[in-house]
Parts: sequence; C-alpha cells; structure tokens
Amino acid sequence: GQNIDQPTEMTATEGAIVQINCTYQTSGFNGLFWYQQHAGEAPTFLSYNVLDGLEEKGRFSSFLSRSKGYSYLLLKELQMKDSASYLCAVIGGYNKLIFGAGTRLAVHP
Amino acid sequence: DSGVTQTPKHLITATGQRVTLRCSPRSGDLSVYWYQQSLDQGLQFLIQYYNGEERAKGNILERFSAQQFPDLHSELNLSSLELGDSALYFCASSQRSLAGGGGFQETQYFGPGTRLLVL
Repeated sequence: GQNIDQPTEMTATEGAIVQINCTYQTSGFNGLFWYQQHAGEAPTFLSYNVLDGLEEKGRFSSFLSRSKGYSYLLLKELQMKDSASYLCAVIGGYNKLIFGAGTRLAVHP
Repeated sequence: DSGVTQTPKHLITATGQRVTLRCSPRSGDLSVYWYQQSLDQGLQFLIQYYNGEERAKGNILERFSAQQFPDLHSELNLSSLELGDSALYFCASSQRSLAGGGGFQETQYFGPGTRLLVL
C-alpha cells in the first residue's frame, strides 16, 4: 500500500524554528510537495522536491531523502500567521498525488 | 487567489438528494482534480481529468461521478447523498497531467472549496 506519516500536532513559539517531518512508503516516487492549509481554506503550495537535498525559499525550507523515504519542512522566524496545517503529499504509483493527514502547527507568542 | 474558481461556496441539502459542484480551472490549465476533505481528515483524491478525458481515479464512490467539458470546466456530481458525504470538496488544476512523468514540477493550484452539508 501507500502510506504517508506526519505528526498530528506541533506547537512552537513565535520567532523560533520548527521542523515538521514526513515519512512515506509508496510504490513509486515522482516528487514530494508541501502545502499549507489554514482552517476552512484551500491548500496553498509551499515547495516541491524531487531530488535529494535541501530547497530553500525564504523562511521555509524543505529537505528530501529518497533512500530513507523522508522529508521535512523547516519554518524559521515563526510568525503567528504560520499557525496552520502543513500537508505532505507524494506523487506515488500511477502518478497519483497522495496527501498525508497533515500536521497542525500552533504558534504561540 | 489561485485563479481556480468553485461554485457554490456552501451547499446544504438532505439525504438522498443529488448535487452538482462546479469548478473552473486556471487559464491555460488542462488538468482538473477533485478532492474530498472530511472534518479532521486529510485530502482524499477522488478523480482527475486531463483535457476532457478521465486520467486517474482515487477513492471515488460509485454514487459520485465527474466530467470535464470542452471549455475545461469540470463538474462533480454527488447522488444518493448520505450524512457521511458532508465535507469540503476541493478542485485543483495544473497545467499538464501528473501522468506526464516525473522530474518536473507539476504544482496543483486549489480552488476555495465547496462546503457540503448533508442533513
């Protein structure tokens, strides 16, 4: 089967750094996405990784290790508006995009 | 604003009824995807269309069907509705199809969603 695991909830302090992990087991792999979703709103694209390594984009960075089936999203200089769910999604077998259940991040002052 | 539009924003109906959700993709996008998101659950992929043809199927019930029209807008039809069908239904679009192969970024842009409540 195909499975994506991420922590259900995380909390962090404003201004701090937080790392959200994602592990996946899929029959194929053609890339991994991270999306941000505020409650009741549509997911918005954050990053895409298909090769091993770190992709940096402003305060957000995403890392991929294909051999380990592992990715993380790193958020720096946390702001209150970063409180949201973060969805890890993998393009797996048959090129289907499979989403994890999401990690709810709460940023406190 | 992603450029993907969905109507209606909210829909309240009764069990056993049938509804149609509509999606207009971003200008130039050929692929349309439908997702269901129940309370506290992740996004469940339902179905994908590419340039009018069904390209991939996910966990879509037989009571549900979809189509993509020549102008590339798409409709998701939900029939014999049950209480458990209450959810947010998202449409997303991308320029090409994920089935085009890996190695390129095929970002999906999501519409604002239709919130369906079945009473």
